[in-house]
Amino acid sequence: EPEVTQTPSHQVTQMGQEVILRCVPISNHLYFYWYRQILGQKVEFLVSFYNNEISEKSEIFDDQFSVERPDGSNFTLKIRSTKLEDSAMYFCADRDRADEQYFGPGTRLTVT
Amino acid sequence: AQSVTQLGSHVSVSEGALVLLRCNYSSSVPPYLFWYVQYPNQGLQLLLKYTTGATLVKGINGFEAEFKKSETSFHLTKPSAHMSDAAEYFCAVSQYNFNKFYFGSGTKLNVKP
Repeated sequence: EPEVTQTPSHQVTQMGQEVILRCVPISNHLYFYWYRQILGQKVEFLVSFYNNEISEKSEIFDDQFSVERPDGSNFTLKIRSTKLEDSAMYFCADRDRADEQYFGPGTRLTVT
Repeated sequence: AQSVTQLGSHVSVSEGALVLLRCNYSSSVPPYLFWYVQYPNQGLQLLLKYTTGATLVKGINGFEAEFKKSETSFHLTKPSAHMSDAAEYFCAVSQYNFNKFYFGSGTKLNVKP
């Protein structure tokens, strides 16, 4: 069964460094999302993406964050200058025509 | 604006007992409602969803939920808990365009033998 994949599974970075989290959505799905889950807290919506544009973004998604689909398959989330509070599990998701979301296994980002 | 409240961060039931996980939402427009399950170190898996039509929706693993507009609730139930149901459950709400999802804070279900 097709599934959303994410790399790396765990990323450790120093404060102020740039990180790129990668996601490979399911083929033929057109809607993409990034969420984050700080340890022990709820899953928070970051951004949705369709047709190579951001559809919606949350207040968390400030100028430090960006998304792109560089090659038609990968979907990336970039954090330009990481802060300690960016430490979280980041989930990629996509949506099929039946409006069902499929989540990836997540990337655990640790900022030291 | 939309939001989701899940009552009870931890729920413990005995194997074979009824599972009831509560979810209340607020939404200025007709909501689409979802329940997801998260097993340790894994992503979220859709259990069931309500968009339109029948207010009682059935999902995977024997779970079901009922949309009650008058109570702004979408509680998740399962008649008989199984040990494999132990996980964290998240209720979520979205608008019709699915551009943005709001999740509750989650309920960890513990199933005792």
